[in-house]
Amino acid sequence: DVKVTQSSRYLVKRTGEKVFLECVQDMDHENMFWYRQDPGLGLRLIYFSYDVKMKEKGDIPEGYSVSREKKERFSLILESASTNQTSMYLCASSFGGGFGETQYFGPGTRLLVL
Amino acid sequence: SQQGEEDPQALSIQEGENATMNCSYKTSINNLQWYRQNSGRGLVHLILIRSNEREKHSGRLRVTLDTSKKSSSLLITASRAADTASYFCATASNAGNMLTFGGGTRLMVKP
Repeated sequence: DVKVTQSSRYLVKRTGEKVFLECVQDMDHENMFWYRQDPGLGLRLIYFSYDVKMKEKGDIPEGYSVSREKKERFSLILESASTNQTSMYLCASSFGGGFGETQYFGPGTRLLVL
Repeated sequence: SQQGEEDPQALSIQEGENATMNCSYKTSINNLQWYRQNSGRGLVHLILIRSNEREKHSGRLRVTLDTSKKSSSLLITASRAADTASYFCATASNAGNMLTFGGGTRLMVKP
C-alpha cells in the first residue's frame, strides 16, 4: 500500500514564525503536491513538484515556499506565518506521466497560527 | 481554481438507502476521479473513470460519466453509517499533472 506521511497532525504556531511541514512518501512517486483545505473553498493547490529539485507554483503560492531535495520528501515552508494561513494542509503524491494520475494523500496537518 | 462542482452540497439518508452525488465540470477532461474524506483526515481515492468510459463499478460504488453534458455521478448502494464522509470529484485535464477538485458533498448516513 502507498503510504504518505506528514510530520504533524496538529501544529500551533505564532504569527511571524517560520513553519516547516514535512511530507514523505514511500512509493517512489515522481509527483508530489501541497494543498490547503478551507471550509467553503475546497482544496487549493499551493505548489507541486514533478522531480527532485523541481517545483511549480499552484493556484495560491503566495506566502509559501517548498523544497524537494530527495524524491521521497516534499517540504512546505511558511516563511513568516500569518493568521490567514490557519488551515488544513494536505500532502499528496502520484506517479509521473501526466494527465492527472491518482493521488495518494497524507492524513493532513491542521495548523493554527495565533 | 475549482472545475468540478458537486451537487448536492450536503445529503442525509438512512442506512440501507442509496446515495447519489453529482459532479459537473467545465472543460474537456482526460479522466474524472472520486475521493472520500473522513472528518479531519486525508482524502482516499475511490474510483477513476476515463473520458472514453461511460460507467464503472467498484463494490457498492457506481460511477457514470457523460462527457456531452460534462457531468458525472457517484452512486453508493445500500449505504452504511461508515460511509458518512465528504465526497469530492476531481478532474484531470488533457495537459499537466494537476487534478482540480470540487467543493465536495457531505454525506451523512444515519443508523
